[in-house]
Amino acid sequence: DVKVTQSSRYLVKRTGEKVFLECVQDMDHENMFWYRQDPGLGLRLIYFSYDVKMKEKGDIPEGYSVSREKKERFSLILESASTNQTSMYLCASSFVPGRYSNQPQHFGDGTRLSIL
Amino acid sequence: AQTVTQSQPEMSVQEAETVTLSCTYDTSESDYYLFWYKQPPSRQMILVIRQEAYKQQNATENRFSVNFQKAAKSFSLKISDSQLGDAAMYFCAYRSTNTGNQFYFGTGTSLTVIP
Repeated sequence: DVKVTQSSRYLVKRTGEKVFLECVQDMDHENMFWYRQDPGLGLRLIYFSYDVKMKEKGDIPEGYSVSREKKERFSLILESASTNQTSMYLCASSFVPGRYSNQPQHFGDGTRLSIL
Repeated sequence: AQTVTQSQPEMSVQEAETVTLSCTYDTSESDYYLFWYKQPPSRQMILVIRQEAYKQQNATENRFSVNFQKAAKSFSLKISDSQLGDAAMYFCAYRSTNTGNQFYFGTGTSLTVIP
């Protein structure tokens, strides 16, 4: 079974702190994603990465950055946390399109982040 | 970017009854995949069922089935014999077959199962 592991289920930080959310997958997926989930807004894509050191902005990248130094690990960074970044953050991974396009994304358990 | 619309923010169903969750999408592509995901409260998002656009036959997984209408760009999920464990947020998602790495999600439908 695919396992996507997020480093924390719950996290509380203060405004202005630099926050790191870590995600590791064990299925050799090329793609990794960070989403933000808020009530009534569904999943909004922050960034995704299709290869080591490669990244692309999603719909709401402002205030966030990412790092992918190894294929299995994808980090989301809040450069200077603000209260409007309080949310649930979901990491996911998948194969690239083509041969495995019918394979779904696999998700981690999520990190509920509170910025005080 | 493709748009996925779930027009029912909340639904409820009596235990053992059948419920249908709706999903529509907008695309100019002919080849793609559609997925329904389930997210129970405070738990991981998991795949419920998938449908390949080139297949005319509707996908079925035990009590879960889809009604895929390609021309209408509609992809509804039917849950038969609803159980308390079916209570969750349900998300519809779209993925292009050959282009783009992204999955496009709807805003979700919260399903309540009434004992």
